[in-house]
Amino acid sequence: AQSVTQLDSQVPVFEEAPVELRCNYSSSVSVYLFWYVQYPNQGLQLLLKYLSGSTLVKGINGFEAEFNKSQTSFHLRKPSVHISDTAEYFCAVIKAQGAQKLVFGQGTRLTINP
Amino acid sequence: DAGVIQSPRHEVTEMGQEVTLRCKPISGHDYLFWYRQTMMRGLELLIYFNNNVPIDDSGMPEDRFSAKMPNASFSTLKIQPSEPRDSAVYFCASSLTAGSSGANVLTFGAGSRLTVL
Repeated sequence: AQSVTQLDSQVPVFEEAPVELRCNYSSSVSVYLFWYVQYPNQGLQLLLKYLSGSTLVKGINGFEAEFNKSQTSFHLRKPSVHISDTAEYFCAVIKAQGAQKLVFGQGTRLTINP
Repeated sequence: DAGVIQSPRHEVTEMGQEVTLRCKPISGHDYLFWYRQTMMRGLELLIYFNNNVPIDDSGMPEDRFSAKMPNASFSTLKIQPSEPRDSAVYFCASSLTAGSSGANVLTFGAGSRLTVL
């Protein structure tokens, strides 16, 4: 079975500072990886996804993530955050073949301080 | 497209009452998922359907929970009888089979916040 570990439950940063949200996954088969964002009282929105090819993927709102197979990681980064980035961020994994069960990590709450 | 539509957005009920949550997926999508979100357990997949057929219901907590998808544009999640520990946000999501070169990307509804007193 697949699993996802988000190493930080909360990350506070100052506005315009860089941020990295960490995600590690576990799987015995090939997987696809995703980052979703959840703003307060809303559903989840897709930020970016890694399927294959270039290990650096770019998403919406200036976010990017790097797939590292040897370290089984998929960390999310943004060089300069804004107040509007305050939200909960979820890393997720799905098997590349077979059952379509998207498994989520526990989430990281990103708080931007002025 | 209006996206995935869930109703009600908020539901407050008393223990023992029946609760029905509704979902309208994006037109043309062939997968539908029900997730539950709590502080303690995070996002849990309860059940998912493909072409209206339940594929995996291993996440349904117990017999009090049931889900149906009578047609491609409607699904329900029912809890009977409800208990305080069922209090959570329930999300519906839908996706379209991506084919061999892609991955299903889930689109989520805004969620139904259930409070059982």
